[in-house]
Formats: sequence, C-alpha cells, structure tokens
Amino acid sequence: EAGVAQSPRYKIIEKRQSVAFWCNPISGHATLYWYQQILGQGPKLLIQFQNNGVVDDSQLPKDRFSAERLKGVDSTLKIQPAKLEDSAVYLCASPNVLGGLSTEAFFGQGTRLTVV
Amino acid sequence: AQTVTQSQPEMSVQEAETVTLSCTYDTSENNYYLFWYKQPPSRQMILVIRQEAYKQQNATENRFSVNFQKAAKSFSLKISDSQLGDTAMYFCAFMSPNNAGNMLTFGGGTRLMVKP
Repeated sequence: EAGVAQSPRYKIIEKRQSVAFWCNPISGHATLYWYQQILGQGPKLLIQFQNNGVVDDSQLPKDRFSAERLKGVDSTLKIQPAKLEDSAVYLCASPNVLGGLSTEAFFGQGTRLTVV
Repeated sequence: AQTVTQSQPEMSVQEAETVTLSCTYDTSENNYYLFWYKQPPSRQMILVIRQEAYKQQNATENRFSVNFQKAAKSFSLKISDSQLGDTAMYFCAFMSPNNAGNMLTFGGGTRLMVKP
C-alpha cells in the first residue's frame, strides 16, 4: 500500500512570512496527526483529526497555526506569520486501526522548515 | 494526560554487542499500545516493535526485544548483535484511545551510535 505523502520536503522562509504543508494519508485511514519535531527532541502533537473533524488541537498555537482536512482525506497545515522558533520538522501520520485501537502509526518523511 | 520519559539522551555500543534503551510512561489507562520507533537521518519514522498492554509476553522482532513491566510502567528496548545500520534516534511512544480516536505520545528520544 502507498505510504503517507508529504510535501514539500524542505522549506526556507523569512520570519513573518506564511507557509503551508500538505499531507495525504494512507487511503482509508480516518485518523490523521500533525506533529512538530524540533531538532533533538521527540515529536509533539499539534493536532489530531478523525475524518474531517478535530479531535485534539490543545497544543496547536492557534494565533498562528491552522489546519484543515476538508474532505476527510488530505490535510494542510499553515503557519502565518512564522517565527524563528517554528523551525522544525513537521510530520504527518495516519494510524492503522484494528478493533478501535491503533496498532501502528505510519509516518510521512516530514517537511523540514527553516525560518530565518 | 499521558507522558513518556526516555532518560538516556545518548548511548553508544560496539558493533555486535547488546544495548538496552529505557522508557517509562505514566497513564491511568488499562488498554493501550507501546511502540519503539527508529528515526534515521532521513527523518522517516520506522516502527521497530510494538507491545499490547494486555499481553504479558514480551514482544520480539528478530534482534529487537522489549522488557514490558506493566506495574512499573516500564518499557525498555534491547538490541542484540548491534549493527552499524542501527545508528539512529529511537523514540518510545504510547498510544491509547481518546474521545474519538487514538492519542499517540512520544518520549524525547535516545540517540544511539553503533561503533565499528
């Protein structure tokens, strides 16, 4: 089966600019996660979707970050305006669910964002 | 909220030897999964091994095995016959059901260096 697709792989922007990331999860996976991974740290959950609804966005800096999954498939994550501390890898993942509990989360290769 | 702690930021091991990476977690849930993910420099998160909380038997995948101590909330990864390709960041992760899906939480990671 095809994996989780993310684009772009790399992005360099100046602070105060805006940027958008795209994710196409594995077909049929209803749950989709966006994670932020700062260099040398573990991934931190930004937002979790179930189909096109938001399950958890408690860690999303809503003054500058937004995300949507309009048709319950592809998702976009946007930052506007970007700050230097937003430099990180942004990972998208979709889990395989068996009996109501996920058995494994499949990850995309991530987008490395550098804010200068 | 669940937390995952990896107390070893960096570890090294000689090729062909055995190394153990530590992980502890905190949860009030009884039904959950635990994972070890490997993240090489390519950034792709690769599942190494998973453990279902209801299973007492420790999971094993070839050279990788876990020591799951549910009462102690401990989940360590043992890598036997270490290979140069095992050099990577290793993340312990916890997944449990939440309101409408499954929450996946990561530890801070352990950087493993396998030396020739």
